[in-house]
Amino acid sequence: GAGVSQSPSNKVTEKGKDVELRCDPISGHTALYWYRQSLGQGLEFLIYFQGNSAPDKSGLPSDRFSAERTGGSVSTLTIQRTQQEDSAVYLCASSSLRLYGYTFGSGTRLTVV
Amino acid sequence: LAKTTQPISMDSYEGQEVNITCSHNNIATNDYITWYQQFPSQGPRFIIQGYKTKVTNEVASLFIPADRKSSTLSLPRVSLSDTAVYYCLVGDGAGNQFYFGTGTSLTVIP
Repeated sequence: GAGVSQSPSNKVTEKGKDVELRCDPISGHTALYWYRQSLGQGLEFLIYFQGNSAPDKSGLPSDRFSAERTGGSVSTLTIQRTQQEDSAVYLCASSSLRLYGYTFGSGTRLTVV
Repeated sequence: LAKTTQPISMDSYEGQEVNITCSHNNIATNDYITWYQQFPSQGPRFIIQGYKTKVTNEVASLFIPADRKSSTLSLPRVSLSDTAVYYCLVGDGAGNQFYFGTGTSLTVIP
Protein backbone atom coordinates (compact mmCIF):
# COMPACT_ATOMS: atom_id res chain seq x y z
CA GLY A 1 0.00 0.00 0.00
CA ALA A 2 0.89 3.65 -0.11
CA GLY A 3 1.52 3.98 3.60
CA VAL A 4 1.88 2.07 6.84
CA SER A 5 -1.44 0.58 7.83
CA GLN A 6 -2.36 -0.26 11.42
CA SER A 7 -5.40 -2.04 12.74
CA PRO A 8 -7.55 -1.66 14.62
CA SER A 9 -7.48 2.11 14.92
CA ASN A 10 -9.10 1.89 18.34
CA LYS A 11 -9.28 -0.96 20.81
CA VAL A 12 -10.99 -1.07 24.17
CA THR A 13 -10.27 -4.12 26.28
CA GLU A 14 -10.83 -5.30 29.78
CA LYS A 15 -7.96 -5.55 32.20
CA GLY A 16 -6.42 -9.00 32.07
CA LYS A 17 -7.38 -9.74 28.47
CA ASP A 18 -4.86 -10.27 25.65
CA VAL A 19 -4.77 -7.99 22.63
CA GLU A 20 -3.17 -8.16 19.20
CA LEU A 21 -2.25 -5.09 17.21
CA ARG A 22 -1.42 -5.36 13.56
CA CYS A 23 0.97 -3.39 11.36
CA ASP A 24 1.21 -3.61 7.59
CA PRO A 25 4.40 -1.79 6.50
CA ILE A 26 5.13 -0.17 3.17
CA SER A 27 5.86 -2.84 0.60
CA GLY A 28 9.58 -3.41 0.26
CA HIS A 29 10.53 -1.75 3.54
CA THR A 30 12.85 -4.11 5.37
CA ALA A 31 12.86 -2.33 8.72
CA LEU A 32 9.84 -2.20 11.04
CA TYR A 33 9.52 -0.49 14.41
CA TRP A 34 6.94 -0.42 17.20
CA TYR A 35 6.57 2.53 19.53
CA ARG A 36 4.22 3.42 22.36
CA GLN A 37 3.03 6.92 23.14
CA SER A 38 1.11 7.65 26.31
CA LEU A 39 -1.16 10.69 26.45
CA GLY A 40 0.86 13.87 26.24
CA GLN A 41 4.14 12.00 26.32
CA GLY A 42 6.96 11.26 23.91
CA LEU A 43 7.52 8.10 21.92
CA GLU A 44 8.80 5.02 23.71
CA PHE A 45 10.71 2.53 21.55
CA LEU A 46 9.49 -1.05 21.90
CA ILE A 47 10.98 -3.33 19.24
CA TYR A 48 12.80 -3.27 15.89
CA PHE A 49 12.80 -5.78 13.04
CA GLN A 50 15.33 -5.69 10.20
CA GLY A 51 14.89 -8.21 7.40
CA ASN A 52 15.43 -11.75 8.61
CA SER A 53 17.66 -10.76 11.51
CA ALA A 54 16.71 -11.39 15.12
CA PRO A 55 14.61 -8.48 16.38
CA ASP A 56 15.93 -5.91 18.82
CA LYS A 57 13.57 -6.34 21.77
CA SER A 58 15.44 -4.04 24.12
CA GLY A 59 12.52 -1.64 24.51
CA LEU A 60 9.82 -4.10 25.48
CA PRO A 61 8.65 -3.06 28.97
CA SER A 62 7.82 -6.53 30.29
CA ASP A 63 7.45 -10.15 29.22
CA ARG A 64 3.75 -9.51 28.66
CA PHE A 65 4.75 -7.79 25.44
CA SER A 66 5.84 -9.69 22.36
CA ALA A 67 5.95 -9.11 18.64
CA GLU A 68 6.49 -11.10 15.52
CA ARG A 69 6.94 -10.32 11.89
CA THR A 70 5.87 -12.95 9.42
CA GLY A 71 7.48 -13.25 6.01
CA GLY A 72 9.34 -10.00 6.51
CA SER A 73 6.15 -8.04 6.09
CA VAL A 74 3.16 -7.84 8.45
CA SER A 75 3.89 -7.52 12.15
CA THR A 76 1.75 -8.26 15.18
CA LEU A 77 2.32 -6.78 18.63
CA THR A 78 0.73 -8.87 21.36
CA ILE A 79 0.08 -7.68 24.89
CA GLN A 80 -0.92 -10.39 27.32
CA ARG A 81 -2.88 -9.82 30.52
CA THR A 82 -3.35 -6.15 29.77
CA GLN A 83 -3.04 -3.61 32.56
CA GLN A 84 -4.43 -0.09 32.76
CA GLU A 85 -0.93 1.36 32.36
CA ASP A 86 -0.80 -0.28 28.92
CA SER A 87 -3.33 2.28 27.71
CA ALA A 88 -1.58 4.32 25.02
CA VAL A 89 -1.29 4.82 21.29
CA TYR A 90 0.82 2.11 19.70
CA LEU A 91 2.63 3.32 16.60
CA CYS A 92 4.27 1.27 13.91
CA ALA A 93 6.83 2.61 11.45
CA SER A 94 8.78 1.19 8.55
CA SER A 95 11.79 2.29 6.56
CA SER A 96 13.78 1.09 3.58
CA LEU A 97 17.19 1.86 5.04
CA ARG A 98 18.10 2.08 8.69
CA LEU A 99 19.36 5.62 8.54
CA TYR A 100 16.60 7.11 6.45
CA GLY A 101 13.43 8.52 7.83
CA TYR A 102 10.68 6.31 9.09
CA THR A 103 7.13 6.34 7.78
CA PHE A 104 4.68 6.00 10.64
CA GLY A 105 1.19 4.62 10.64
CA SER A 106 -1.70 6.41 12.32
CA GLY A 107 -1.49 4.16 15.35
CA THR A 108 -3.79 2.00 17.43
CA ARG A 109 -5.32 3.69 20.46
CA LEU A 110 -5.53 1.05 23.18
CA THR A 111 -7.72 1.65 26.20
CA VAL A 112 -7.66 -0.85 29.04
CA VAL A 113 -10.67 -0.56 31.34
CA LEU B 1 23.58 6.23 23.59
CA ALA B 2 23.43 9.84 22.48
CA LYS B 3 20.83 11.78 24.42
CA THR B 4 19.11 14.79 22.90
CA THR B 5 17.99 17.96 24.64
CA GLN B 6 15.46 20.34 23.14
CA PRO B 7 13.40 23.23 24.50
CA ILE B 8 10.08 21.95 25.75
CA SER B 9 8.03 24.60 24.01
CA MET B 10 8.27 27.62 21.72
CA ASP B 11 5.84 30.23 20.46
CA SER B 12 6.11 32.13 17.19
CA TYR B 13 3.98 34.50 15.16
CA GLU B 14 2.82 33.59 11.70
CA GLY B 15 5.29 34.49 8.97
CA GLN B 16 8.31 34.36 11.25
CA GLU B 17 11.28 32.07 10.81
CA VAL B 18 11.53 29.53 13.62
CA ASN B 19 14.76 27.90 14.74
CA ILE B 20 14.65 24.90 17.06
CA THR B 21 17.96 23.75 18.45
CA CYS B 22 18.75 20.25 19.65
CA SER B 23 21.80 19.40 21.73
CA HIS B 24 23.45 16.00 21.29
CA ASN B 25 26.83 16.28 22.96
CA ASN B 26 27.64 12.56 22.76
CA ILE B 27 26.80 12.01 19.12
CA ALA B 28 28.87 9.23 17.57
CA THR B 29 31.00 9.67 14.46
CA ASN B 30 28.68 7.61 12.28
CA ASP B 31 25.39 9.01 13.56
CA TYR B 32 23.01 11.04 11.45
CA ILE B 33 20.59 13.63 12.82
CA THR B 34 16.94 13.32 11.90
CA TRP B 35 13.97 15.58 12.64
CA TYR B 36 10.31 14.64 12.77
CA GLN B 37 7.05 16.58 13.08
CA GLN B 38 4.02 15.25 14.92
CA PHE B 39 0.49 16.62 14.85
CA PRO B 40 -2.07 15.57 17.47
CA SER B 41 -3.56 12.13 16.89
CA GLN B 42 -1.06 11.34 14.13
CA GLY B 43 2.20 9.48 13.89
CA PRO B 44 5.40 11.51 13.46
CA ARG B 45 6.36 12.59 9.97
CA PHE B 46 9.93 12.70 8.68
CA ILE B 47 11.09 16.26 7.94
CA ILE B 48 14.80 16.24 7.26
CA GLN B 49 18.03 14.36 7.91
CA GLY B 50 21.66 15.43 7.82
CA TYR B 51 25.18 14.54 8.84
CA LYS B 52 27.08 17.83 8.71
CA THR B 53 26.94 21.44 7.50
CA LYS B 54 23.60 22.32 5.94
CA VAL B 55 20.75 20.40 4.37
CA THR B 56 17.73 22.03 2.78
CA ASN B 57 14.53 20.61 1.36
CA GLU B 58 11.15 22.03 0.43
CA VAL B 59 10.01 22.07 4.05
CA ALA B 60 12.96 23.05 6.22
CA SER B 61 16.69 23.55 6.60
CA LEU B 62 18.98 21.76 8.98
CA PHE B 63 22.16 23.41 10.23
CA ILE B 64 24.87 21.29 11.83
CA PRO B 65 28.07 22.90 13.15
CA ALA B 66 31.47 21.33 12.62
CA ASP B 67 31.57 19.68 16.05
CA ARG B 68 28.09 18.16 15.45
CA LYS B 69 27.18 18.51 19.11
CA SER B 70 24.01 20.36 18.21
CA SER B 71 21.72 20.91 15.27
CA THR B 72 19.17 23.56 14.38
CA LEU B 73 15.97 22.97 12.48
CA SER B 74 14.89 26.10 10.65
CA LEU B 75 11.30 26.54 9.47
CA PRO B 76 10.89 29.52 7.14
CA ARG B 77 7.81 31.73 7.46
CA VAL B 78 5.73 29.48 9.67
CA SER B 79 1.96 29.26 9.38
CA LEU B 80 -0.69 28.09 11.83
CA SER B 81 -0.48 24.63 10.32
CA ASP B 82 3.11 24.29 11.53
CA THR B 83 1.85 24.05 15.12
CA ALA B 84 3.13 20.63 16.15
CA VAL B 85 5.70 18.80 18.24
CA TYR B 86 9.16 18.57 16.68
CA TYR B 87 11.56 15.79 17.61
CA CYS B 88 15.25 15.38 16.84
CA LEU B 89 16.84 11.95 16.80
CA VAL B 90 20.39 10.79 16.79
CA GLY B 91 21.64 7.25 16.80
CA ASP B 92 23.10 4.91 19.36
CA GLY B 93 26.50 4.70 17.70
CA ALA B 94 25.60 1.48 15.91
CA GLY B 95 23.55 3.10 13.18
CA ASN B 96 20.24 2.71 14.97
CA GLN B 97 17.93 5.67 15.58
CA PHE B 98 15.37 4.39 18.01
CA TYR B 99 15.08 6.89 20.79
CA PHE B 100 12.93 9.99 20.52
CA GLY B 101 13.50 12.75 23.04
CA THR B 102 10.79 14.83 24.66
CA GLY B 103 10.36 17.04 21.61
CA THR B 104 9.62 20.75 21.24
CA SER B 105 6.00 21.85 21.15
CA LEU B 106 5.77 24.74 18.68
CA THR B 107 2.73 26.98 18.79
CA VAL B 108 2.24 29.42 15.92
CA ILE B 109 0.20 32.45 16.89
CA PRO B 110 -1.90 34.44 14.41
